[in-house]
Amino acid sequence: NAGVTQTPKFQVLKTGQSMTLQCAQDMNHNSMYWYRQDPGMGLRLIYYSASEGTTDKGEVPNGYNVSRLNKREFSLRLESAAPSQTSVYFCASSEFRAATNEKLFFGSGTQLSVL
Amino acid sequence: QKEVEQNSGPLSVPEGAIASLNCTYSDRVSQSFFWYRQYSGKSPELIMSIYSNGDKEDGRFTAQLNKASQYVSLLIRDSQPSDSATYLCAVNNPDDKIIFGKGTRLHILP
Repeated sequence: NAGVTQTPKFQVLKTGQSMTLQCAQDMNHNSMYWYRQDPGMGLRLIYYSASEGTTDKGEVPNGYNVSRLNKREFSLRLESAAPSQTSVYFCASSEFRAATNEKLFFGSGTQLSVL
Repeated sequence: QKEVEQNSGPLSVPEGAIASLNCTYSDRVSQSFFWYRQYSGKSPELIMSIYSNGDKEDGRFTAQLNKASQYVSLLIRDSQPSDSATYLCAVNNPDDKIIFGKGTRLHILP
């Protein structure tokens, strides 16, 4: 059982380049999330998708776009990478909407460096 | 801005003692509260969740919730070196956002 799979695990970009972080879950979960984690900052929510076909902004959405391609996949796109986007990115999923108290299952993370 | 506040630590506790981790939150309508443990270089993993005022115990872990004071805590009894990690407090909001605190680094001294 793979759970939540993120690709790539590591990525180095130059300022201005674009890239897409991929996330897929095989647990038939409805909700999916993208967080970033910076030293001393905890996890900050970028975007989330409560169900297939819906997305909404989190705490720090600027500079990012997302696509909920289907129930399994939720991608995060950086259109023009900036050094401030250097971070560890985590994808997560939960079975139901977060308000029903379901726990988050996390992927292994993507270490992104923007030079 | 809805906030979840934690002392960043590090909190150093002797092996075998009780570790006490605290968290406050700003949104009174928050309904569910979670403690995640994160080892260095790894993903967070859920260790406790609590939804009602009072205490909830699971093995060596006890979560405490006081909604009137907007306060949630985690007690770890008989602390072990393997408990050394960062502990993240998380709070759900009715709009489906799960917001995390910055985490408290816990160091268990052998």
